[in-house]
Amino acid sequence: GQQLNQSPQSMFIQEGEDVSMNCTSSSIFNTWLWYKQDPGEGPVLLIALYKAGELTSNGRLTAQFGITRKDSFLNISASIPSDVGIYFCAGYGNAGGTSYGKLTFGQGTILTVHP
Amino acid sequence: GAVVSQHPSWVICKSGTSVKIECRSLDFQATTMFWYRQFPKQSLMLMATSNEGSKATYEQGVEKDKFLINHASLTLSTLTVTSAHPEDSSFYICSADPTDTNSYGYTFGSGTRLTVV
Repeated sequence: GQQLNQSPQSMFIQEGEDVSMNCTSSSIFNTWLWYKQDPGEGPVLLIALYKAGELTSNGRLTAQFGITRKDSFLNISASIPSDVGIYFCAGYGNAGGTSYGKLTFGQGTILTVHP
Repeated sequence: GAVVSQHPSWVICKSGTSVKIECRSLDFQATTMFWYRQFPKQSLMLMATSNEGSKATYEQGVEKDKFLINHASLTLSTLTVTSAHPEDSSFYICSADPTDTNSYGYTFGSGTRLTVV
């Protein structure tokens, strides 16, 4: 089945620093999503990307949908302590095949922000 | 916005008993809901797609007799873990979206922590 490779697995940064994480896929997704998950909670949608090449911002967050539709990145600028959590990329499989109509998640990036 | 409520948020049960987890769409109707399982420090793995008024579609390797799904109304899907064992201990999460949009399952519940002792 389709798999998403997300990197890095973890990041330890100082407050105020910028963060970048990315996801790549062996196959095409028509929609890319970025989520944040706090401990003991469900994922919360941060940004949804629907078009190849699309660049979308949500406050200090910026995400882009790769031109090939096989990759996406998420940037967080000027990190703050509340940015701590696990960030997941997800691809929506609406291009047919066994992943049609389903979300496939990356492995996650654990972000730690030191004050 | 769309809100998905999950109950209970945590449950502890004895081995061999059954546990029911509810997933409700609070302010919208959902013909499709999704159930995921997440082990500590791991990603979300889709278990099954819950379809209102019809049988759920299970992912490969997920035992349908073990994880019973019922989606009897447009606002409620339930996951019952039958004859639970310690290896079923995990974080279970549901997702859904309004039926008047493509149901991608973008909105997630807050999850249920199941511990089987």
